[in-house]
Amino acid sequence: QKEVEQNSGPLSVPEGAIASLNCTYSDRVSQSFFWYRQYSGKSPELIMSIYSNGDKEDGRFTAQLNKASQYVSLLIRDSQPSDSATYLCAVTGEYGNKLVFGAGTILRVKS
Amino acid sequence: DAGVTQSPTHLIKTRGQQVTLRCSPKSGHDTVSWYQQALGQGPQFIFQYYEEEERQRGNFPDRFSGHQFPNYSSELNVNALLLGDSALYLCASSYTGGEGYTFGSGTRLTVV
Repeated sequence: QKEVEQNSGPLSVPEGAIASLNCTYSDRVSQSFFWYRQYSGKSPELIMSIYSNGDKEDGRFTAQLNKASQYVSLLIRDSQPSDSATYLCAVTGEYGNKLVFGAGTILRVKS
Repeated sequence: DAGVTQSPTHLIKTRGQQVTLRCSPKSGHDTVSWYQQALGQGPQFIFQYYEEEERQRGNFPDRFSGHQFPNYSSELNVNALLLGDSALYLCASSYTGGEGYTFGSGTRLTVV
């Protein structure tokens, strides 16, 4: 079982719609959770972090965390073609703070 | 405010050769981590340096080694290159107790 799992996609949504990206993790003692956006050929860019159960909103982005279900998600409202990228879910564990990444979900927003 | 800078941006090496990649962390950051990202995969943790010592290491062979200097900059060395070492190598910096990591633009290594 992979430590962090994501649906590879591609997830296709029309412009203006809500994109929902999901991630599950296996280590119950994971402490911190991050969503990174990565454009093709570029490096990952941090867009959201979340540390406690519930929702965290930042502009068009909402991160949701459910530690009991070991599940974290990212919602992108009013999706734009510029949101088309690979979205990487990453978690840190109890020992040290290395990031463990999922393989990423490709998002395509069609205008 | 300079972010994380990596050099070189691209590199082509022959199997069996050795390579050194360099990273300067974001101002104020004291921790440097290195990741390998193969095409279509998420970044894989190689190791992390703090206070000039390797603090954590991922599942990579001893051919991969590193160093952190007093100014917090870091190097990643890979010996006896294999074709499978071809990847994007990412450096990420953070500060102890801080939130998240800032990634550099990466070094694209091609082994032929």
